[in-house]
Amino acid sequence: GESVGLHLPTLSVQEGDNSIINCAYSNSASDYFIWYKQESGKGPQFIIDIRSNMDKRQGQRVTVLLNKTVKHLSLQIAATQPGDSAVYFCAGMTTDSWGKLQFGAGTQVVVTP
Amino acid sequence: NAGVTQTPKFRILKIGQSMTLQCTQDMNHNYMYWYRQDPGMGLKLIYYSVGAGITDKGEVPNGYNVSRSTTEDFPLRLELAAPSQTSVYFCASNPSGNTEAFFGQGTRLTVV
Repeated sequence: GESVGLHLPTLSVQEGDNSIINCAYSNSASDYFIWYKQESGKGPQFIIDIRSNMDKRQGQRVTVLLNKTVKHLSLQIAATQPGDSAVYFCAGMTTDSWGKLQFGAGTQVVVTP
Repeated sequence: NAGVTQTPKFRILKIGQSMTLQCTQDMNHNYMYWYRQDPGMGLKLIYYSVGAGITDKGEVPNGYNVSRSTTEDFPLRLELAAPSQTSVYFCASNPSGNTEAFFGQGTRLTVV
């Protein structure tokens, strides 16, 4: 099966700075890559996704980059705010998988004042 | 809309006991899922359902059972609780099997 994992377990970012969260994947079968945010005591929440045939997608304050050559995914958060403190998961999904998600281990982002 | 609601929020079970984790959604989503999250790890899929009356195994189904008699409800049953089932359980729903799943708040289960 597919394996999606993360480089860094914890990322400390100063408020106002940009955050970059990385994710490496070993199986190229995913048609989509997705980022989820999990705040303490809550379930994961969808942030943004990117199709496997794209290399960049922008949302509100977030940008996802996909480098299929090195099997690397990243999430950039602009002007990080205290509310961005959470665990961020990357996940992969194929279009024929009924929405089943394959999650990586997660990165804890801590925003410091 | 309440979204996805899970009960209970916390539970302690003794080894060998059984229990049902409840999950209900009011968004009329066809797809529903159960994931478990172990400390410091990502979520792993236990079971999923693509509609009432249809369920299938995920990555880690052993020790669990599910049913889907209605669109709204997707309970997860643990028959003989084991310490390895100590985890946080998340139920999720999805309108069409796309990338955006909606998760409940989770049930923290401890088996002692």
